[in-house]
Amino acid sequence: AQRVTQPEKLLSVFKGAPVELKCNYSYSGSPELFWYVQYSRQRLQLLLRHISRESIKGFTADLNKGETSFHLKKPFAQEEDSAMYYCAHGRASGTYKYIFGTGTRLKVLA
Amino acid sequence: NAGVTQTPKFQVLKTGQSMTLQCAQDMNHEYMSWYRQDPGMGLRLIHYSVGAGITDQGEVPNGYNVSRSTTEDFPLRLLSAAPSQTSVYFCASTSLSGAWFSDTQYFGPGTRLTVL
Repeated sequence: AQRVTQPEKLLSVFKGAPVELKCNYSYSGSPELFWYVQYSRQRLQLLLRHISRESIKGFTADLNKGETSFHLKKPFAQEEDSAMYYCAHGRASGTYKYIFGTGTRLKVLA
Repeated sequence: NAGVTQTPKFQVLKTGQSMTLQCAQDMNHEYMSWYRQDPGMGLRLIHYSVGAGITDQGEVPNGYNVSRSTTEDFPLRLLSAAPSQTSVYFCASTSLSGAWFSDTQYFGPGTRLTVL
């Protein structure tokens, strides 16, 4: 069964410091991976997806099939980055079930 | 476009009561789903639907029913509420018309449910 693991429940960094939120997945086929973000009192929204190879709000995430990881990175954290971040595995061939990790709360300290 | 809407925003129930959480989307998305969000557990899929008349179970379906009579609406029914169903419930929708690997889920604002 597909599984998404986010080992850190809480990550605190100082403003301007680099950020890395970890995500590991278990899926034997070609993965479909996303990062979603939930700011305080807002709904979840897509941050980025691996297929697009994009950088959103300074965040990037690279798929590493060898390590089955999709870590989210930002070189310089900003206070407005404080939020809940979820890694998710989307539907792959034969299933319509999205699987989310348990989430990591990022706190950026002034 | 209103996107994905959910009602009510807050609800308090007594054990054993039943209720329906409403979800609607105006993006003509085929796929709709319900999640519950609990501290330390992340988002867990309850039920999903790939089109009108088609529903299927997710990770944690027990105690919940769904139906999909129209593309727009996907209500979630709690049959006999239990304290373990205290949670925040999110509805989401996705278009299935693009490539399978390009999906984006659009979420509603959530319903905070407390069962006493």
